[in-house]
Amino acid sequence: DIQMTQSPSSVSASVGDRVTITCRASQGISSWLAWYQQKPGKAPKLLIYAASSLQSGVPSRFSGSGSGTDFTLTISSLQPEDFATYYCQQANSFPTFGGGTKVEIK
Amino acid sequence: QVQLQESGPGLVKPSQTLSLTCTVSGGSISSGSYYWSWIRQPAGKGLEWIGRIYTSGSTNYNPSLKSRVTISVDTSKNQFSLKLSSVTAADTAVYYCARCTDSNWFDPWGQGTLVTVSS
Repeated sequence: DIQMTQSPSSVSASVGDRVTITCRASQGISSWLAWYQQKPGKAPKLLIYAASSLQSGVPSRFSGSGSGTDFTLTISSLQPEDFATYYCQQANSFPTFGGGTKVEIK
Repeated sequence: QVQLQESGPGLVKPSQTLSLTCTVSGGSISSGSYYWSWIRQPAGKGLEWIGRIYTSGSTNYNPSLKSRVTISVDTSKNQFSLKLSSVTAADTAVYYCARCTDSNWFDPWGQGTLVTVSS
């Protein structure tokens, strides 16, 4: 299995802040990485695929970067609706997910 | 716009078989080059991919669950299904169905259904 490690596990931030979440793969996965947002009691929502491609309808304040083993999700200016848990997912082999990063209100 | 909805028993006894169905609406399950997947999430924990099926019937499963999982598709009903045998309390989770691209990106997802394994 390819293990996905996210950091931090939680982050406290204010509206307007720039937030960066990292995801590391246990082996190289090229650009086979997606990011999802999950709000309490809801299903995950695809934000970014292929490491840096923005899913249709997702605000441009979300961006992704990286390749190989190290990846980043950046929210350029945090909005109230962005407080949620974020998961990375690798698609290089059978899919596996990171443990999640909870973005909380500071 | 494609929507997915899970259905099935919310309570299953240990050692029995968990059975869920996902109904696809707003489009044909056979259109486009999509797979159809099941993913689960224990309460307060992360996501685990269970497996996927193509409308041809071709399947791929998580190796850790492969011996207990069967995913099938009924194109006439626009549905696909999950069977997980010999369940234990560790299989208690919210189960999601999702459309999956051939690159293994999941979008959209169903709302999820909680399945509890308990006697």
